[in-house]
Amino acid sequence: GQNIDQPTEMTATEGAIVQINCTYQTSGFNGLFWYQQHAGEAPTFLSYNVLDGLEEKGRFSSFLSRSKGYSYLLLKELQMKDSASYLCAVIDTNAGKSTFGDGTTLTVKP
Amino acid sequence: GAGVSQSPSNKVTEKGKDVELRCDPISGHTALYWYRQSLGQGLEFLIYFQGNSAPDKSGLPSDRFSAERTGGSVSTLTIQRTQQEDSAVYLCAFGQVSYNEQFFGPGTRLTVL
Repeated sequence: GQNIDQPTEMTATEGAIVQINCTYQTSGFNGLFWYQQHAGEAPTFLSYNVLDGLEEKGRFSSFLSRSKGYSYLLLKELQMKDSASYLCAVIDTNAGKSTFGDGTTLTVKP
Repeated sequence: GAGVSQSPSNKVTEKGKDVELRCDPISGHTALYWYRQSLGQGLEFLIYFQGNSAPDKSGLPSDRFSAERTGGSVSTLTIQRTQQEDSAVYLCAFGQVSYNEQFFGPGTRLTVL
């Protein structure tokens, strides 16, 4: 079956750096997404990794190791508005079906 | 989300009634997904449409759930004989190609009393 694990909750301080980990075990792999979801809102796209390595986009970076079934999302210079749930999702078939983790709720404190 | 609309935004129904949820697409996007999200949970995949291919229905939880996509555009998700455990937010998402980012609609919050 498909299995994606993320920590349930994390807390960090404004201005700090936080790393949210995601491990996956899926029958296939065709890319990994990170989404941000504020309470009561729909998820919005943050990043996409299909090859090993680090993808950087402003304050956010995402890393992938396919051999380890592991990814992380790195958030720098945390702001209060970064308080949200962060969802890891794997495209696990050639047809494009995505499996989502349960999300990590990040709380940024002053 | 980026131009994806869903209706209704909220639906309250009685157990045993049928409901129909609608998703209006972004033009030019061929991949369409339906998910549901219970409070505090991640997204549960329901069904996936890609172009004219047969839909991937592997996530539908029971035969009370069905979905169709008319003319490659508007999609409806139908839940028959609703149960209280069907209460959740139902999200649709579109993608240009199945591997690209998905654009989510605002969701329909379904409450079954």
